[in-house]
Amino acid sequence: DAGITQSPRHKVTETGTPVTLRCHQTENHRYMYWYRQDPGHGLRLIHYSYGVKDTDKGEVSDGYSVSRSKTEDFLLTLESATSSQTSVYFCAIRRGTNTDTQYFGPGTRLTVL
Amino acid sequence: AQSVAQPEDQVNVAEGNPLTVKCTYSVSGNPYLFWYVQYPNRGLQFLLKYITGDNLVKGSYGFEAEFNKSQTSFHLKKPSALVSDSALYFCAVRDGDTNAGKSTFGDGTTLTVKP
Repeated sequence: DAGITQSPRHKVTETGTPVTLRCHQTENHRYMYWYRQDPGHGLRLIHYSYGVKDTDKGEVSDGYSVSRSKTEDFLLTLESATSSQTSVYFCAIRRGTNTDTQYFGPGTRLTVL
Repeated sequence: AQSVAQPEDQVNVAEGNPLTVKCTYSVSGNPYLFWYVQYPNRGLQFLLKYITGDNLVKGSYGFEAEFNKSQTSFHLKKPSALVSDSALYFCAVRDGDTNAGKSTFGDGTTLTVKP
């Protein structure tokens, strides 16, 4: 494990409600990522961060926002959850300066009813 | 743009037999290639990577992968499969000529090793 925790681990919510998922790391890595995993789609990048207050979009960023106010925490927010956002969400950190080896958290299973 | 294809959704092998999980990639710059494994209800775990150097890369749990530039492939192999190797395997690629930090993952291949 790379000192990555995600909270909550499971959440059930209703359509239209806001949801925030938290990723916390203990190793002071610069790069952090949020992915979603869906059957038949593998892992898709939502947003990533390359430093405090520095973030960029991934391939499936619509409907999601992120914030990183300190190195150790990377928050993913669904402003108004939809059923299509039911998924398993993984946070990852990048360890190493160039090689981009990523280490993943345990995941959050989100169900939007 | 970069992409990864894992042409097989499912691979079945008998314990003790060799296994291969296929991956082909497309990237405009220098390819950095990775294999990850996911066990049920767990996050992904890093297995091995190719950045430069020897085309045959050895990784965790006895796995290895061969980088083939002409075929743009990076197939994962193991000489003798174990039942405990049963899991979901992901190939990933990143353009090593940029520092954008974004990897692209394949859709995954489910490996089942039967006793």
